[in-house]
Amino acid sequence: DAGVIQSPRHEVTEMGQEVTLRCKPISGHNSLFWYRQTMMRGLELLIYFNNNVPIDDSGMPEDRFSAKMPNASFSTLKIQPSEPRDSAVYFCASSNRGFNYGYTFGSGTRLTVV
Amino acid sequence: AQTVTQSQPEMSVQEAETVTLSCTYDTSESDYYLFWYKQPPSRQMILVIRQEAYKQQNATENRFSVNFQKAAKSFSLKISDSQLGDAAMYFCAYRSGTGANSKLTFGKGITLSVRP
Repeated sequence: DAGVIQSPRHEVTEMGQEVTLRCKPISGHNSLFWYRQTMMRGLELLIYFNNNVPIDDSGMPEDRFSAKMPNASFSTLKIQPSEPRDSAVYFCASSNRGFNYGYTFGSGTRLTVV
Repeated sequence: AQTVTQSQPEMSVQEAETVTLSCTYDTSESDYYLFWYKQPPSRQMILVIRQEAYKQQNATENRFSVNFQKAAKSFSLKISDSQLGDAAMYFCAYRSGTGANSKLTFGKGITLSVRP
Protein backbone atom coordinates (compact mmCIF):
# COMPACT_ATOMS: atom_id res chain seq x y z
CA ASP A 1 0.00 0.00 0.00
CA ALA A 2 1.67 3.18 -1.24
CA GLY A 3 -0.61 5.47 0.72
CA VAL A 4 -2.16 8.65 -0.63
CA ILE A 5 0.14 10.16 -3.24
CA GLN A 6 0.20 13.89 -3.91
CA SER A 7 2.16 15.82 -6.47
CA PRO A 8 4.00 18.06 -6.65
CA ARG A 9 5.42 18.28 -3.14
CA HIS A 10 6.31 21.92 -3.63
CA GLU A 11 5.02 24.43 -6.15
CA VAL A 12 6.12 28.00 -6.66
CA THR A 13 4.21 30.04 -9.18
CA GLU A 14 3.61 33.62 -10.14
CA MET A 15 0.39 35.42 -9.41
CA GLY A 16 -2.12 34.93 -12.19
CA GLN A 17 -0.82 31.54 -13.28
CA GLU A 18 -2.85 28.34 -13.25
CA VAL A 19 -1.89 25.74 -10.67
CA THR A 20 -2.93 22.09 -10.68
CA LEU A 21 -2.47 19.84 -7.68
CA ARG A 22 -2.81 16.09 -8.06
CA CYS A 23 -3.85 13.26 -5.81
CA LYS A 24 -3.99 9.49 -6.04
CA PRO A 25 -6.06 7.97 -3.21
CA ILE A 26 -5.52 4.58 -1.65
CA SER A 27 -6.95 1.84 -3.82
CA GLY A 28 -10.37 0.78 -2.55
CA HIS A 29 -11.06 4.00 -0.69
CA ASN A 30 -14.30 5.52 -1.88
CA SER A 31 -14.08 8.98 -0.32
CA LEU A 32 -11.56 11.70 -1.14
CA PHE A 33 -11.05 15.00 0.64
CA TRP A 34 -9.10 18.17 -0.15
CA TYR A 35 -7.94 20.29 2.80
CA ARG A 36 -6.01 23.53 2.98
CA GLN A 37 -3.76 24.36 5.92
CA THR A 38 -2.64 27.87 6.86
CA MET A 39 -1.33 29.36 10.06
CA MET A 40 -4.28 31.70 10.36
CA ARG A 41 -7.14 29.35 9.54
CA GLY A 42 -5.76 25.92 10.40
CA LEU A 43 -7.10 22.93 8.45
CA GLU A 44 -10.05 23.77 6.25
CA LEU A 45 -12.05 21.28 4.22
CA LEU A 46 -12.35 22.53 0.66
CA ILE A 47 -14.31 19.74 -1.02
CA TYR A 48 -14.95 16.05 -0.77
CA PHE A 49 -16.01 13.30 -3.12
CA ASN A 50 -17.74 10.01 -2.60
CA ASN A 51 -17.54 7.42 -5.36
CA ASN A 52 -16.05 10.15 -7.61
CA VAL A 53 -19.05 12.45 -7.09
CA PRO A 54 -18.59 15.82 -5.36
CA ILE A 55 -20.66 15.79 -2.18
CA ASP A 56 -19.82 19.08 -0.48
CA ASP A 57 -17.87 21.92 -2.05
CA SER A 58 -19.01 24.61 0.37
CA GLY A 59 -15.44 25.08 1.54
CA MET A 60 -14.12 26.08 -1.87
CA PRO A 61 -13.17 29.71 -1.32
CA GLU A 62 -14.24 31.11 -4.67
CA ASP A 63 -14.71 30.41 -8.34
CA ARG A 64 -11.00 30.41 -8.94
CA PHE A 65 -10.89 26.99 -7.28
CA SER A 66 -12.16 23.85 -8.96
CA ALA A 67 -11.76 20.15 -8.26
CA LYS A 68 -12.39 17.04 -10.29
CA MET A 69 -12.31 13.33 -9.77
CA PRO A 70 -12.58 11.68 -13.18
CA ASN A 71 -12.07 8.18 -11.77
CA ALA A 72 -11.53 6.35 -8.50
CA SER A 73 -7.75 6.66 -8.64
CA PHE A 74 -7.19 10.33 -9.46
CA SER A 75 -8.26 13.80 -8.42
CA THR A 76 -7.10 17.32 -9.21
CA LEU A 77 -7.48 20.67 -7.49
CA LYS A 78 -7.01 23.61 -9.81
CA ILE A 79 -6.55 27.28 -9.00
CA GLN A 80 -6.95 29.72 -11.88
CA PRO A 81 -5.80 32.45 -11.61
CA SER A 82 -3.65 31.99 -8.53
CA GLU A 83 -3.15 34.77 -5.95
CA PRO A 84 -0.62 35.23 -3.14
CA ARG A 85 -3.33 34.54 -0.53
CA ASP A 86 -3.66 31.04 -1.95
CA SER A 87 -0.24 30.19 -0.55
CA ALA A 88 -0.75 27.26 1.83
CA VAL A 89 -0.24 23.54 2.22
CA TYR A 90 -2.90 21.56 0.40
CA PHE A 91 -3.65 18.06 1.64
CA CYS A 92 -5.50 15.26 -0.03
CA ALA A 93 -6.91 12.46 2.12
CA SER A 94 -8.90 9.33 1.42
CA SER A 95 -11.15 7.11 3.45
CA ASN A 96 -13.14 3.94 3.06
CA ARG A 97 -16.66 3.24 4.21
CA GLY A 98 -15.41 2.29 7.67
CA PHE A 99 -15.41 5.85 8.82
CA ASN A 100 -14.35 5.01 12.33
CA TYR A 101 -10.83 4.80 10.95
CA GLY A 102 -10.52 8.47 10.06
CA TYR A 103 -8.57 9.45 7.02
CA THR A 104 -5.23 8.65 5.48
CA PHE A 105 -3.49 11.82 4.41
CA GLY A 106 -1.04 12.46 1.63
CA SER A 107 2.18 14.37 2.27
CA GLY A 108 0.68 17.62 1.07
CA THR A 109 1.66 20.18 -1.55
CA ARG A 110 3.21 23.41 -0.33
CA LEU A 111 2.04 26.11 -2.72
CA THR A 112 3.73 29.48 -2.83
CA VAL A 113 2.28 32.18 -5.07
CA VAL A 114 4.59 35.15 -5.57
CA ALA B 1 -22.54 22.36 13.10
CA GLN B 2 -19.90 20.54 15.05
CA THR B 3 -16.97 22.47 16.47
CA VAL B 4 -13.69 21.33 17.96
CA THR B 5 -11.75 23.55 20.36
CA GLN B 6 -8.14 23.26 21.39
CA SER B 7 -7.61 26.20 23.69
CA GLN B 8 -3.91 25.74 24.40
CA PRO B 9 -1.76 26.82 21.42
CA GLU B 10 1.48 25.51 22.88
CA MET B 11 2.72 23.13 25.54
CA SER B 12 6.07 21.89 26.68
CA VAL B 13 7.10 18.70 28.46
CA GLN B 14 10.32 17.31 29.84
CA GLU B 15 11.56 14.16 28.17
CA ALA B 16 10.28 11.01 29.97
CA GLU B 17 7.50 12.98 31.67
CA THR B 18 3.76 12.84 31.01
CA VAL B 19 1.76 15.53 29.27
CA THR B 20 -1.95 15.96 28.62
CA LEU B 21 -3.34 17.85 25.63
CA SER B 22 -6.88 19.16 25.97
CA CYS B 23 -9.73 19.14 23.47
CA THR B 24 -13.41 19.92 23.75
CA TYR B 25 -16.08 19.59 21.11
CA ASP B 26 -19.65 20.58 20.57
CA THR B 27 -22.24 18.34 18.95
CA SER B 28 -25.86 17.36 19.26
CA GLU B 29 -25.20 13.88 17.89
CA SER B 30 -24.88 10.75 19.98
CA ASP B 31 -22.96 8.66 17.45
CA TYR B 32 -19.57 10.00 16.43
CA TYR B 33 -15.84 9.34 16.39
CA LEU B 34 -12.95 11.33 17.79
CA PHE B 35 -9.36 11.32 16.68
CA TRP B 36 -5.96 12.73 17.51
CA TYR B 37 -3.57 13.41 14.66
CA LYS B 38 0.12 14.23 14.92
CA GLN B 39 1.86 16.53 12.44
CA PRO B 40 5.65 16.55 12.80
CA PRO B 41 7.84 19.06 10.96
CA SER B 42 7.72 16.80 7.92
CA ARG B 43 4.03 17.95 7.78
CA GLN B 44 2.73 14.40 7.32
CA MET B 45 -0.58 13.94 9.16
CA ILE B 46 -0.37 10.78 11.26
CA LEU B 47 -3.32 9.19 13.05
CA VAL B 48 -2.36 8.68 16.68
CA ILE B 49 -5.50 7.33 18.31
CA ARG B 50 -9.26 7.12 17.81
CA GLN B 51 -12.26 6.77 20.09
CA GLU B 52 -15.79 5.63 19.30
CA ALA B 53 -18.36 7.66 21.23
CA TYR B 54 -20.44 4.58 22.05
CA LYS B 55 -17.51 2.97 23.87
CA GLN B 56 -17.06 3.90 27.51
CA GLN B 57 -13.57 2.47 27.68
CA ASN B 58 -10.84 4.96 26.90
CA ALA B 59 -8.67 4.11 23.91
CA THR B 60 -4.99 3.32 24.40
CA GLU B 61 -2.15 2.94 21.91
CA ASN B 62 1.17 2.22 23.59
CA ARG B 63 2.26 5.48 25.30
CA PHE B 64 -0.81 7.35 24.06
CA SER B 65 -4.14 7.24 25.82
CA VAL B 66 -7.25 9.36 25.91
CA ASN B 67 -9.57 10.58 28.62
CA PHE B 68 -12.99 10.62 26.97
CA GLN B 69 -15.70 12.38 28.95
CA LYS B 70 -18.81 12.19 26.79
CA ALA B 71 -21.09 14.20 29.04
CA ALA B 72 -18.54 16.98 29.30
CA LYS B 73 -17.67 16.68 25.59
CA SER B 74 -14.02 16.46 26.43
CA PHE B 75 -11.38 14.36 24.71
CA SER B 76 -7.87 14.81 26.06
CA LEU B 77 -4.71 13.03 24.92
CA LYS B 78 -2.16 11.79 27.43
CA ILE B 79 1.37 11.08 26.30
CA SER B 80 3.38 9.05 28.78
CA ASP B 81 7.16 8.77 28.87
CA SER B 82 7.51 11.63 26.39
CA GLN B 83 10.18 11.25 23.74
CA LEU B 84 11.94 13.82 21.59
CA GLY B 85 10.14 12.37 18.57
CA ASP B 86 6.80 13.33 20.11
CA ALA B 87 7.53 16.99 19.38
CA ALA B 88 4.93 17.99 16.81
CA MET B 89 1.64 19.72 16.28
CA TYR B 90 -1.34 17.70 17.53
CA PHE B 91 -4.85 18.05 16.16
CA CYS B 92 -8.06 16.84 17.69
CA ALA B 93 -10.75 15.90 15.17
CA TYR B 94 -14.42 14.93 15.13
CA ARG B 95 -16.30 12.81 12.63
CA SER B 96 -20.05 12.20 12.61
CA GLY B 97 -21.16 8.62 12.88
CA THR B 98 -24.10 9.12 10.59
CA GLY B 99 -23.61 8.93 6.87
CA ALA B 100 -20.76 7.23 5.09
CA ASN B 101 -19.37 10.48 3.73
CA SER B 102 -19.01 12.47 6.91
CA LYS B 103 -16.13 14.89 7.04
CA LEU B 104 -13.47 15.38 9.71
CA THR B 105 -13.66 18.66 11.61
CA PHE B 106 -10.34 19.69 13.13
CA GLY B 107 -9.34 21.88 16.02
CA LYS B 108 -6.72 24.58 15.57
CA GLY B 109 -3.98 22.34 16.90
CA ILE B 110 -1.46 22.52 19.70
CA THR B 111 2.30 22.66 19.32
CA LEU B 112 4.07 20.31 21.68
CA SER B 113 7.76 20.74 22.40
CA VAL B 114 9.82 18.18 24.30
CA ARG B 115 12.77 19.35 26.39
CA PRO B 116 15.75 17.00 26.57
